[in-house]
Parts: sequence; structure tokens; C-alpha cells
Amino acid sequence: DAKTTQPPSMDCAEGRAANLPCNHSTISGNEYVYWYRQIHSQGPQYIIHGLKNNETNEMASLIITEDRKSSTLILPHATLRDTAVYYCIVRVGVGNTPLVFGKGTRLSVIA
Amino acid sequence: NAGVMQNPRHLVRRRGQEARLRCSPMKGHSHVYWYRQLPEEGLKFMVYLQKENIIDESGMPKERFSAEFPKEGPSILRIQQVVRGDSAAYFCASSYTSGGPYEQYFGPGTRLTVT
Repeated sequence: DAKTTQPPSMDCAEGRAANLPCNHSTISGNEYVYWYRQIHSQGPQYIIHGLKNNETNEMASLIITEDRKSSTLILPHATLRDTAVYYCIVRVGVGNTPLVFGKGTRLSVIA
Repeated sequence: NAGVMQNPRHLVRRRGQEARLRCSPMKGHSHVYWYRQLPEEGLKFMVYLQKENIIDESGMPKERFSAEFPKEGPSILRIQQVVRGDSAAYFCASSYTSGGPYEQYFGPGTRLTVT
């Protein structure tokens, strides 16, 4: 079972920041938080990952709370193409292990 | 650098036939994962392979399903005697061997329809 909890759906106005929350209260010290998204029926797309520090790349920012029990994915300027299901995943174990997908958050970006 | 490639993109089989799905990982990746997404459901892990080895097949159905990743060539997911319940999107992902933390990159998927 997935070790994360996410809201089932969210709306965001185009051009505004989209903040997607994720709870992972049972995360272990050596487990990473990964974010993926799936646009329509395409293959999941890797977005970002983090361990305990905040991370930023060209797609998004990841804010992890100090106790690591929750995190927020931030898309700074959402566009219509960001409409997708976003999955927050805690990597079970260390190293090359399978991803356990939950139900994710369906983000709808509205013009 | 080409991404993960899967073929065919769409596959139609009659009940009882065999389905073969192929996955070529990204260049430099030697770890392959297969996931299945049933209609209106989430992605479920099936099997994890390295070259010539099955590392974890805990998500594979016990019968009719098999996977391989030979020394040369793509990884193959094989479904024998397909049934309607096998209709789904099958995604392959690949990752690096070492260096961590091992993010996986997914292919576009193969959509299997069993008639």
C-alpha cells in the first residue's frame, strides 16, 4: 500500500501557483519523497525528489517539513498543460526499488 | 538521448492468444520495471529486472505472465492465453544501476485490448 495521503482533486487558475500537499507521516529516515505526474493516459513523468532539504528544478519546487511528515509540490506558474494526476511517492527501501503509486491528486488548471 | 521506448503502442489480441510487449530502456540504464494500469485504476508494480535477472516479481500474476531482460535486446513482458481482464495499459520504466537515488523514467506504454 502507498505510504502517502493526497487530496483527490484540486483546481488552480492558469498562471497562478499550484500547491499540492502530501502527507507521509510514517516515512523513514532514509526514504525519499518522489513526485510524478501522469498527463491523460501517457506514461508517468518524473518531476522531482527530495530527502529532507527543499529542492527546486526547472519544473517545480518541493518543500519538505522539518519533521518530514509532509511535503508540498509547487508549480510556480501553472499552465493548462499541467493538468494531470500528480503522485507523491515515498520510496520503500533504499536503492532500486519499485514505486508504489497511490490514487494521486487530479489537478485541473482552469483558464 | 532517446527515452524509454515501448512497442507496440497498441496491441489487440483475441482471448487465448499470446501478447508480447517490448521495452528498450534509456541509454545507460540497466534496470527495468513493468507496471500495469487497469482502466480507471492506479499503476501497479509487476516486476523488476536487471540484465538476465529477475530481481522482484512480487506483483506478477502467478500464471500466464512472464518477463525477461536478456543480455542483448529489449525487455519482454509476455502474457499467454490472454483474457479480457488483461486489457490494460502496460508501462515500462528504467533507471540507472548506481549512484542513487534511482529515479525511474517511464515509456509511453502499450495499450493491450483483449477482444
